Amino acid sequence: EVQLVESGGGLVKPGRSLRLSCTASGFTFGDSGMSWFRQAPGKGLEWVSFIRTKTYGETTEYAASVQGRFTISRDDAKSIAYLEMNTLKTEDTGIYYCSRSGRPDACDPLPDWGRGTLVTVSS
Amino acid sequence: ETVVTQSPGTLSVSPGETATLFCRASRNVYSNIAWYQQKPGQAPRLLIYRGSTRVTGIPARFSGSGSGTEFTLTISSLQSEDFAVYYCHQYNDWLLTFGGGTNVEIK
Repeated sequence: EVQLVESGGGLVKPGRSLRLSCTASGFTFGDSGMSWFRQAPGKGLEWVSFIRTKTYGETTEYAASVQGRFTISRDDAKSIAYLEMNTLKTEDTGIYYCSRSGRPDACDPLPDWGRGTLVTVSS
Repeated sequence: ETVVTQSPGTLSVSPGETATLFCRASRNVYSNIAWYQQKPGQAPRLLIYRGSTRVTGIPARFSGSGSGTEFTLTISSLQSEDFAVYYCHQYNDWLLTFGGGTNVEIK
C-alpha cells in the first residue's frame, strides 16, 4: 500500500525558515517524480513544486509564488522528499501536501496524496 | 501560465439528479486534465485523469470528457457522499494550475 506522510509543519514567524518532509513507502521512490501542493485556509489548491528522479538529474520546477524562496529535494535512500521554505510570508500559510507522479520526469497524477501538514506563518 | 476556469462556482443539486461541471483551459492542454474531489478536512481525492480515465475504485457515476480547452465532469445520480468541492487541474504545462473549484451542494 502506498503511503505518503508529511511532517515538519508548525507556527513560524514571517521571514523565518521551515523544512517539510514527505516520507514515502509502498512503492519504488526513486522511480517517481514528486510534487508538493498547498491549500490556504478556505481557499483552493495550488501546486508548489516538482522534482524529477535521479535519472532526470533531479531537476526541479517551482510555482512563481515560491521561486527563489523554496527548494525541493529528495533522498532516495531514505524515500523522503523535502521542501525547504525560506523567507516565509504570511501568504505561505496553509496545508502542504505531497504527492507522487506516475512519471519520473513530469506530473502524471496518481491517487497517492498525503494527509498534509499545516504551516502557519504569523508574527 | 495556463489559466483554468471552472463553472459554475456553486451547483445546487438534489440527490439522485445529475451534476455537470465545466472546466476551461486558456490554451490547449490536450487531455492532460485531472478532476479531484475534496471534502472538508480531507486531502483531495483523484477521480479522473487524462481527461476521462477513472481511477480504480471510483464509481462509474463519475465520468470525464473533453480535450483541448473544454472539459466536463458529470456525476450521475448524485449520492449523499458526492456533495463536496471539485477541482479541475491541468498538468500539461509548467506551471501546473488548478481551477477555483465547484462546490456541489444539496438543493
